[in-house]
Amino acid sequence: QKEVEQNSGPLSVPEGAIASLNCTYSDRGSQSFFWYRQYSGKSPELIMSIYSNGDKEDGRFTAQLNKASQYVSLLIRDSQPSDSATYLCAVNPSSASKIIFGSGTRLSIRP
Amino acid sequence: DGGITQSPKYLFRKEGQNVTLSCEQNLNHDAMYWYRQDPGQGLRLIYYSQIVNDFQKGDIAEGYSVSREKKESFPLTVTSAQKNPTAFYLCASSIDNGQGRNQPQHFGDGTRLSIL
Repeated sequence: QKEVEQNSGPLSVPEGAIASLNCTYSDRGSQSFFWYRQYSGKSPELIMSIYSNGDKEDGRFTAQLNKASQYVSLLIRDSQPSDSATYLCAVNPSSASKIIFGSGTRLSIRP
Repeated sequence: DGGITQSPKYLFRKEGQNVTLSCEQNLNHDAMYWYRQDPGQGLRLIYYSQIVNDFQKGDIAEGYSVSREKKESFPLTVTSAQKNPTAFYLCASSIDNGQGRNQPQHFGDGTRLSIL
């Protein structure tokens, strides 16, 4: 089992709809969770950090964390064509001082 | 402006040649990281360093070497032993608060390495 798993996509969502991106992780003791956006040919940029169970909102983005189910998600409301990118989930396992990245979900927003 | 600077943006390597990728940060971050990304793939950790004069191997360290002589700088050398070096190389840094909760990593713009 991979330490951080994401569906590779592509996930196609109509403009204006909610995009839902999911990520599961294997280390139950993980404490820190991050979502990055990566445009084609560019480096990843941080969108959200979340450390506690529940929801965290920032503009059109909401991160949701459920440690019991070992699941973290990212919701993008009112999706825009500029949201089309690969979204990377990253997790800090309990025993490590490094972050493990998932392989990313490719999101496509169709007009 | 504070940030992470990687250079060069594009680099070409000849057979049998070692090349060095530069990474400099002025964010006063303790920890620095090198990743490799192949087309359509995720990030794979090559080396990381949490403090000056100390570094750890990541998942794919073979064929690579690093140094951390200054807090601001973490150069990566791709040696001739790395037989398939063509990839996008990303440097990142983060605050290391040593309290078991990692702060997020921030990335440079990357270096694309190709074989001539």
